[in-house]
Amino acid sequence: DIQMTQSPSSLSASVGDRVSITCRASQSISSYLNWFRQKAGKAPKLLIYAASSLQSGVPSRFSGSGSGTDFTLTISSLQPEDFATYYCQQSYSTPWTFGQGTKVEI
Amino acid sequence: QVQLQESGPGLVKPSETLSLTCTVSGGSISSYYWTWIRQPPGKGLEWIGYIYYSGSTNYNPSLKSRVTISVDTSKNHFSLKLTSVTAADTAVYYCARYYYDSGGYYLPFDYWGQGTLVTVSS
Repeated sequence: DIQMTQSPSSLSASVGDRVSITCRASQSISSYLNWFRQKAGKAPKLLIYAASSLQSGVPSRFSGSGSGTDFTLTISSLQPEDFATYYCQQSYSTPWTFGQGTKVEI
Repeated sequence: QVQLQESGPGLVKPSETLSLTCTVSGGSISSYYWTWIRQPPGKGLEWIGYIYYSGSTNYNPSLKSRVTISVDTSKNHFSLKLTSVTAADTAVYYCARYYYDSGGYYLPFDYWGQGTLVTVSS
């Protein structure tokens, strides 16, 4: 299985801050990397797929970059609804696997 | 607007079989991969497996011996069965849609159900 490791596990930030979360794969996954945001008690929501493609309807403050084994999710200006947990996920090979999550707190 | 809705018992006894159904509305079940993902309380996400609308399946090896996913295109729903459950199977179970085509384009988990908590306890 491909292991996905996110860092940090948690971070504290304020509204308007620029925030970056990294995700590392245990082997090359090309650009088959996706990012999700999960608010408490809700299903995850797709933000970015194929490393850098913005899902329809997702605000442009979200962006993704990287390829191979190292990837980054950047939120350019944190909004109140962005305080949540973020997961990366690889679609390179099954079993599809997720990172352990990064909790963004105030 | 596509909507997914999980249904099934919220409490299952140890050693018994967990059975859930995901009903798809607002769109066809055809041409997509339909997946199950679970999340133990306070923990991360685990992919359980998927079924293509034609019936082909792919399961997580960690659960493969206990999992069956099936689809009923006439009812626009797909189902999960997990046998011999233990407390470790207590989780919120989500169904989600995945698209992938032969040209390499994919759109992962763009629609999700709201999730259903299944507790394994006697």
